[in-house]
Amino acid sequence: AQTVTQSQPEMSVQEAETVTLSCTYDTSESDYYLFWYKQPPSRQMILVIRQEAYKQQNATENRFSVNFQKAAKSFSLKISDSQLGDAAMYFCAYRSARGNTGKLIFGQGTTLQVKP
Amino acid sequence: DAGVIQSPRHEVTEMGQEVTLRCKPISGHNSLFWYRQTMMRGLELLIYFNNNVPIDDSGMPEDRFSAKMPNASFSTLKIQPSEPRDSAVYFCASSLDGAGGLRQYFGPGTRLTVT
Repeated sequence: AQTVTQSQPEMSVQEAETVTLSCTYDTSESDYYLFWYKQPPSRQMILVIRQEAYKQQNATENRFSVNFQKAAKSFSLKISDSQLGDAAMYFCAYRSARGNTGKLIFGQGTTLQVKP
Repeated sequence: DAGVIQSPRHEVTEMGQEVTLRCKPISGHNSLFWYRQTMMRGLELLIYFNNNVPIDDSGMPEDRFSAKMPNASFSTLKIQPSEPRDSAVYFCASSLDGAGGLRQYFGPGTRLTVT
């Protein structure tokens, strides 16, 4: 069974600085997808960024980028130029590319505090 | 588009009562997911429908939980009888396709409190 681990329950960053959130996963599959979701206090889950395992290039979405290390099964999220609106809980998630399942397996989450 | 719609947003009920949570997916999406979020267990998938058919219900905790999707625009998650340990936030999400729809759109969630 696949598992996702986020070892940092809480992180904080100064506004305009850069922060990296860690995620590791365990799988025996070679083809899969990885995601970072953001959950602000409103509870709404919002997709931040996605990475396909077959792609070597790290995904980037504006101030958000990932460091995908397939061999190490590591998938960290870097937030550059942090803004107050980035304060939220961040979840790393795994999805198999096998079959027709859309099941997401989530990590425990990391609460990010942004200090003004 | 209005996004995924869930109702009610908050539900408080007494132990033993029946609870029904409702979800309207984004129009055109053919996959629907029910998740539960608790402090202890985090976010976990309860059940997943594709084209109104349950594909994976391995996450449904026990027989007290049931889910239906009578048509492409509506799904329900029912708990009967409810117990205090069912208190959680329940999310519904939808996507375009089980395999090709990589992005799941989440609803705002229903916070359930069972006293």
